[in-house]
Amino acid sequence: QKEVEQDPGPLSVPEGAIVSLNCTYSNSAFQYFMWYRQYSRKGPELLMYTYSSGNKEDGRFTAQVDKSSKYISLFIRDSQPSDSATYLCAMSDSWGKFQFGAGTQVVVTP
Amino acid sequence: NAGVTQTPKFQVLKTGQSMTLQCAQDMNHEYMSWYRQDPGMGLRLIHYSVGAGITDQGEVPNGYNVSRSTTEDFPLRLLSAAPSQTSVYFCASSPSRVTGELFFGEGSRLTVL
Repeated sequence: QKEVEQDPGPLSVPEGAIVSLNCTYSNSAFQYFMWYRQYSRKGPELLMYTYSSGNKEDGRFTAQVDKSSKYISLFIRDSQPSDSATYLCAMSDSWGKFQFGAGTQVVVTP
Repeated sequence: NAGVTQTPKFQVLKTGQSMTLQCAQDMNHEYMSWYRQDPGMGLRLIHYSVGAGITDQGEVPNGYNVSRSTTEDFPLRLLSAAPSQTSVYFCASSPSRVTGELFFGEGSRLTVL
């Protein structure tokens, strides 16, 4: 069983819709939670970063962490075609052990 | 404004050949790492370094060597290429091993025939 589970998609939504992405994990030692965005044939870039449980908002993006359920989410409001990419969740513990999800491909259609 | 630079971007090897993927960063980051990305598998850590002269193995280290003689450079060596090493390789750096703010290069796409 993988430590981090993420639905690979693809997730197709119309422009302007809310995109909802999530990951589940099994290692309770994870404390830092991240979302990376990866465009085709490019390297991942950090989108959102949260420490421990709670919500964090940045423009159209909201990240949620529920450590009690071992569940993290990313919401993209007012989605644009430029949001079409693969979104990777990632998490690490206090020792720097990282684990990435397999990534969810998102397609926003005009 | 270079960030993390990887070379080459594309490479085709024959089974048994060796090669080195280069990685350089200009952000003075202590932590550097190499990942491979395969369909459905996500990013898997090959080797990492927490500073010059210090390296350690990640999740999938077999068939790869690394060294870290300077803060800026972290090359990845394939000793005897195998078809199973066909993948996209990413180098990443971070100011801290723990906090997770990894900065990635654009990737090196390797095909082993």
